[in-house]
Amino acid sequence: GDSVTQMEGPVTLSEEAFLTINCTYTATGYPSLFWYVQYPGEGLQLLLKATKADDKGSNKGFEATYRKETTSFHLEKGSVQVSDSAVYFCALSVSTDKLIFGTGTRLQVFP
Amino acid sequence: GAVVSQHPSRVICKSGTSVKIECRSLDFQATTMFWYRQFPKQSLMLMATSNEGSKATYEQGVEKDKFLINHASLTLSTLTVTSAHPEDSSFYICSAAPGTGLNTEAFFGQGTRLTVV
Repeated sequence: GDSVTQMEGPVTLSEEAFLTINCTYTATGYPSLFWYVQYPGEGLQLLLKATKADDKGSNKGFEATYRKETTSFHLEKGSVQVSDSAVYFCALSVSTDKLIFGTGTRLQVFP
Repeated sequence: GAVVSQHPSRVICKSGTSVKIECRSLDFQATTMFWYRQFPKQSLMLMATSNEGSKATYEQGVEKDKFLINHASLTLSTLTVTSAHPEDSSFYICSAAPGTGLNTEAFFGQGTRLTVV
């Protein structure tokens, strides 16, 4: 079945460090791919998305490129801030409104 | 973005009792609402999809008689965990969408931590 695998956390970084959170997927169709972020005490928020191969989603300095050949959608940011500390979820959707999530990766950024 | 409010954020109940969790869309009408469950270090798992005015569609393996979902209005869906047991302890999250289709963004509540003792 369709699934999403993302790296376990926590990921601990110093401010201004480069961030990569890996995400790979398995899907029978042609999925749309998403990254959601959950800040402490808040609901999940859509961070970025890509709907077809080679698309790049970007928002708030974060980027992820839909790589069909490697079935990946890795999240990157060139310089993280303390305020980026949150849990990040990779997700896919194939043909309906249903979202299939990864396990989430906690990011902790220290000054 | 739109706001979805989930209540309560935490609840502790005794084994055998029922617990109701509310999910409200505060500034839009939600045609569709979704209920997820998350176990520690595991993915959010979709439990059911509810459409206003009709019965919920449950995912395989989810007991519909145990997890009662009501979506009686366009701004409110409720999940009732009936006769709760310790194994029902989990993090429950709702999401709501103003429409349907692949490109309709869903907005999420803050989640409810249920502990059954």
